[in-house]
Amino acid sequence: EAQVTQNPRYLITVTGKKLTVTCSQNMNHEYMSWYRQDPGLGLRQIYYSMNVEVTDKGDVPEGYKVSRKEKRNFPLILESPSPNQTSLYFCASRHDRVSGTEAFFGQGTRLTVV
Amino acid sequence: GQQVMQIPQYQHVQEGEDFTTYCNSSTTLSNIQWYKQRPSGHPVFLIQLVKSGEVKKQKRLTFQFGEAKKNSSLHITATQTTDVGTYFCAGHGSARQLTFGSGTQLTVLP
Repeated sequence: EAQVTQNPRYLITVTGKKLTVTCSQNMNHEYMSWYRQDPGLGLRQIYYSMNVEVTDKGDVPEGYKVSRKEKRNFPLILESPSPNQTSLYFCASRHDRVSGTEAFFGQGTRLTVV
Repeated sequence: GQQVMQIPQYQHVQEGEDFTTYCNSSTTLSNIQWYKQRPSGHPVFLIQLVKSGEVKKQKRLTFQFGEAKKNSSLHITATQTTDVGTYFCAGHGSARQLTFGSGTQLTVLP
């Protein structure tokens, strides 16, 4: 089954404690991205990757890191989480075509930083 | 950078009434996509529009792409409780980035 898998689904952590949210896709998609969803703000892109070893900042990259060592995985790293990073996070993947392609989303990770 | 505005932010309708959400981009788009997110769910792709003035239908849902390729709308005829959720537009610009609107949260009252 074609899917994007995120883990964990829920996470409560304390300020400053490094954490990683994993994302994996099985569709051989070139393009992967991370979004955060906050009430009234929609989906804001954090980082994206157009292929292995190619990553770039989205609209709200501060406080986040990513890596793309393999095509299927795109982890999101919070080196020193702060309460303003409490949010719902989604990983998404799609084929990278100029004509535009459907994005597939993971189930989401609800992060609370206290 | 590219911005995509979407209105309204919230909409409550009585079951059977129609619903429309509107999307406007600050720049010309190469195409626009629409997604639906059910409560506690993740966004799911509905459709993509590519051509200027394009209109597509999916049962009770009608999607339009403006002539200038800067705006779009989603219209639902005779809403049902299964239509509940948040509807997002997402525009593809020249940089192949997908920029999402802020979404319209639809509540359907039985």
